[in-house]
Amino acid sequence: GENVEQHPSTLSVQEGDSAVIKCTYSDSASNYFPWYKQELGKGPQLIIDIRSNVGEKKDQRIAVTLNKTAKHFSLHITETQPEDSAVYFCAASGNNQGGKLIFGQGTELSVKP
Amino acid sequence: DAGITQSPRHKVTETGTPVTLRCHQTENHRYMYWYRQDPGHGLRLIHYSYGVKDTDKGEVSDGYSVSRSKTEDFLLTLESATSSQTSVYFCAISVGTSLSYEQYFGPGTRLTVT
Repeated sequence: GENVEQHPSTLSVQEGDSAVIKCTYSDSASNYFPWYKQELGKGPQLIIDIRSNVGEKKDQRIAVTLNKTAKHFSLHITETQPEDSAVYFCAASGNNQGGKLIFGQGTELSVKP
Repeated sequence: DAGITQSPRHKVTETGTPVTLRCHQTENHRYMYWYRQDPGHGLRLIHYSYGVKDTDKGEVSDGYSVSRSKTEDFLLTLESATSSQTSVYFCAISVGTSLSYEQYFGPGTRLTVT
């Protein structure tokens, strides 16, 4: 079955710097890759997603890139702000998995003012 | 929270007792999911539903059962709770006409089994 690995597990940056979180997946048939942000005591919130027919997607300060050949995808946050501090999860899904999401282990991002 | 509520939000129970968690949605979405979240494991799928009375197992379904008698409610039952089921449980719904669409999560239920 699908396996998703996420790195790093913790990331600390200065306010205004960029942050990059990387995920790799094992099943080449996966075709949907969402990213979630989870603040303390809350449920995960979908922040951006990408499907396998595109290589990059941007939404203001966040972007996701996908390399299907290498089977990895990344979340990029530019001009980080203290409110970006949270745990971020990547996930992968595909028709061969019945559309079910397989999550990475999470990255705790800390943005220092 | 995409119109998703979970109850209770917190529960402490003893080993061996039955526990039922409820997920309620207000928008008649077809697909609903139960996940558990544990440190170092991300979120893992327990069971999911693709319609009233239509459910299937996820990757960590042992010790759990589910029921969906109405579109808006998806119940997760621990028949005989064990300490290994201490976790935070999240319900999610999928927006769209298949499983491969965006999932939105509820606020979670923190369950402690003593």
